[in-house]
Amino acid sequence: EVQLVESGGGLVQPGGSLRLSCAASGFTFSNYWMSWVRQAPGKGLEWVANIKQDGSEKYYVDSVKGRFTISRDDAKNSLYLQMNSLRAEDTAVYYCVRGRGNYWGQGTLVTVSS
Amino acid sequence: QSALTQPASVSGSPGQSITISCTGTSSDVGGYNYVSWYQQHPGKAPKLMIYEVTNRPSGVSNRFSGSKSGNTASLTISGLQAEDEADYYCSSYTSSSTPWVFGGGTKLTVL
Repeated sequence: EVQLVESGGGLVQPGGSLRLSCAASGFTFSNYWMSWVRQAPGKGLEWVANIKQDGSEKYYVDSVKGRFTISRDDAKNSLYLQMNSLRAEDTAVYYCVRGRGNYWGQGTLVTVSS
Repeated sequence: QSALTQPASVSGSPGQSITISCTGTSSDVGGYNYVSWYQQHPGKAPKLMIYEVTNRPSGVSNRFSGSKSGNTASLTISGLQAEDEADYYCSSYTSSSTPWVFGGGTKLTVL
């Protein structure tokens, strides 16, 4: 059974940092592009970043470029999102997503507030 | 403002059919056959319903179908059921600096 389990969310002050993790199981992690998608409270979905199977290509939504870094560790079947210089508008549930979106984790809530 | 435009809400009675539109440009919906549709119930993660415009993942009811004409993609749900009441989002690959974009979402109400 495919499982994606996010962790690392929480309350952080503006300007702070957080590192999200996604533990994958039930499939060959190294074979898939992986993405982060977020959803602000009461709002729609927003694609944030994705990373190619070998980590050689990474893409970001304009609003997080230079602040967020996506990475992966295929040996640990894990996906990460390092978030720096956090802003109030980054407050959202962050989902880990496999490939073109056929599997999603349950999400982890990031709240940026003083 | 979302890159793809969806109606904010649609409604229908049980047994009826509804269609949700997703309008983009030639740089996204119109230019690629990489349109997906997701269903999201309150407090739950999104679920993939349609991928690559017309394809249904295994386990998704054949009451759900997708199509595309020009820069507009559509999701049709036939034989509406109460359990179909949810938010629906389209997404597309795009040639812009942000390779994937979502629509703003459509709330489906089953009357």
